[in-house]
Amino acid sequence: DIQMTQSPSTLSASVGDRVTITCRASQYVSDYLAWCQQKPGKAPKLLIYKASTLKSGVPSRFSGSGSGTEFTLTISSLQPDDFATYYCQQYNHYPYVFGQGTRLEIK
Amino acid sequence: QMQLQESGPGLVKPSETLSLMCTVSGGSITSSTFYWAWVRQPPGKELEWIGNIYYGGSTYYNVSLKSRVAISVDTSKNQVSLKMNSVTAADTAVYYCVSGVVIASRPQAFDYWGQGTLVTVSS
Repeated sequence: DIQMTQSPSTLSASVGDRVTITCRASQYVSDYLAWCQQKPGKAPKLLIYKASTLKSGVPSRFSGSGSGTEFTLTISSLQPDDFATYYCQQYNHYPYVFGQGTRLEIK
Repeated sequence: QMQLQESGPGLVKPSETLSLMCTVSGGSITSSTFYWAWVRQPPGKELEWIGNIYYGGSTYYNVSLKSRVAISVDTSKNQVSLKMNSVTAADTAVYYCVSGVVIASRPQAFDYWGQGTLVTVSS
């Protein structure tokens, strides 16, 4: 099975900061990589699909890049609503696999 | 806007069968545009894909669960079901019904999520 490894596991940052989360796949997944955001007690929400395509309605401060095995999610200027856990997920091969998550917390 | 709503028992005894339903509104279960899936999340842990079902009924399951899991659709009720047998405490999790679109025969990212339902396995 493909393994998805996110780093860091926890990230402390302040409102207005630019932050980047990395996701590495153990095998080639092309650009079939999604990023989702989850807040405590809530279902995940899709932010980015096909590695870099922003879902309609998602703020433009979110961006994704990468292809193959290395991917990044960048938030250009953190807002209070952005403090949450972020997951990457590959959907190029079965079984679909999620990363272990990156918890973004307020510094 | 598509909405997904999970329902089912919140408590299941060990060795019994977990059965959940997902009611779909704002979209048709019989549409070839969408596929349906289940994802679970044990308390405090990461998300785990369970399986997908496609138009026509083809299914793909996580190998780690494959022998215990079945996903099906009820077109008369516009529902997707999940059955998992021989459950143990390790199957305690929030179970999410999920959907995505199919483009050029290729499933795309999970776009729609239900609110999730907690299932606890305990005697």
